[in-house]
Amino acid sequence: AQSVTQLDSQVPVFEEAPVELRCNYSSSVSVYLFWYVQYPNQGLQLLLKYLSGSTLVKGINGFEAEFNKSQTSFHLRKPSVHISDTAEYFCAVSGYGRAQKLVFGQGTRLTINP
Amino acid sequence: DVKVTQSSRYLVKRTGEKVFLECVQDMDHENMFWYRQDPGLGLRLIYFSYDVKMKEKGDIPEGYSVSREKKERFSLILESASTNQTSMYLCVTAGLAGNEQFFGPGTRLTVL
Repeated sequence: AQSVTQLDSQVPVFEEAPVELRCNYSSSVSVYLFWYVQYPNQGLQLLLKYLSGSTLVKGINGFEAEFNKSQTSFHLRKPSVHISDTAEYFCAVSGYGRAQKLVFGQGTRLTINP
Repeated sequence: DVKVTQSSRYLVKRTGEKVFLECVQDMDHENMFWYRQDPGLGLRLIYFSYDVKMKEKGDIPEGYSVSREKKERFSLILESASTNQTSMYLCVTAGLAGNEQFFGPGTRLTVL
């Protein structure tokens, strides 16, 4: 079974500052990892995903994440945030193959202050 | 264009009513999932199905049941709605590979 823990429920940062949103997972099988963003009153949108290969994954809007198998982490980073990045961010993990769960973390609310 | 539809965007029901939420997909996906989304709790998995008539409990199945009689349709049933089931309900589908997910628009259910 898979589980996901997002270590921060809220992260406030100033505009143009760097940000890291932390995600740890546990699983007894190999997994795919995802980050989704949800803007106010909208649905979830895929930011990036790790399936295999390079452990550094680049996504949309300047975000990137690094898969660390030994630490079972998949932290999301952006070197310089913008007011428009204010949103809730969800980390998710999926096994692959038949009957594998798709599990989401509790979410991290990113607030950008001017 | 990929499509996941849910039967209602907004629903208001009374305590004790039986409630049906339906999800239909046109992508021939094996995996279908029902979540509820609540502030501060993220998306919590209620049930999922990986084939017709096959279902697995998620993390919070109590008070819910599901039905998958056809591959494209996955129904969530609240046997006797309660106020603590007021929430946003999301249907998600994925192929067997599990490397991509597609989301329905959500149903905001209010139980009075």
